[in-house]
Amino acid sequence: GQSLEQPSEVTAVEGAIVQINCTYQTSGFYGLSWYQQHDGGAPTFLSYNALDGLEETGRFSSFLSRSDSYGYLLLQELQMKDSASYFCAVRSESRDSGTYKYIFGTGTRLKVLA
Amino acid sequence: DVKVTQSSRYLVKRTGEKVFLECVQDMDHENMFWYRQDPGLGLRLIYFSYDVKMKEKGDIPEGYSVSREKKERFSLILESASTNQTSMYLCASIGAGLNYEQYFGPGTRLTVT
Repeated sequence: GQSLEQPSEVTAVEGAIVQINCTYQTSGFYGLSWYQQHDGGAPTFLSYNALDGLEETGRFSSFLSRSDSYGYLLLQELQMKDSASYFCAVRSESRDSGTYKYIFGTGTRLKVLA
Repeated sequence: DVKVTQSSRYLVKRTGEKVFLECVQDMDHENMFWYRQDPGLGLRLIYFSYDVKMKEKGDIPEGYSVSREKKERFSLILESASTNQTSMYLCASIGAGLNYEQYFGPGTRLTVT
């Protein structure tokens, strides 16, 4: 089967750096995405890694190691508005249709304290 | 501004009713998805569609069906609603090929009593 694991909750203070890990087990792996979801809102896309290494987008960076089936989201200079849930999602190829589908992790709730 | 819209923000239905959830996207995306989101379980894929009239089961298709008669519209159908289908339902779309960003609708919170 396919599964993703990430911590259920992380707490950090404003200005700090936090890392949210994601390990996955899947067939037909193509890439790892990260999404942010504020309470009551829809998930919004943060980043995508298809290849090993680090992708940086402003205060957020995402890392992928395909050999370790592992990735992480790094949030720097934390702000109160970063308090949200963060989901990793695997893009994998569907064996039936050859198209892509997306399997999400259970989410990590980040609390940023003043 | 890209947009995915869902027909209702909140919906209350009775057990046994047939329920239709509609999703419309204006980005000419080939791929559309239906997820349900429950606390502690993340987003779970119910069904997805990669073209008009084409559909494929996700991880939890039991009790659901879908319809995609037009490219911009993807409907989720609960044939006979049950209380364990009380959940937040999220629709998403993404273009074909090397597009990586899924765009989500605002969600429909369905309560089955």
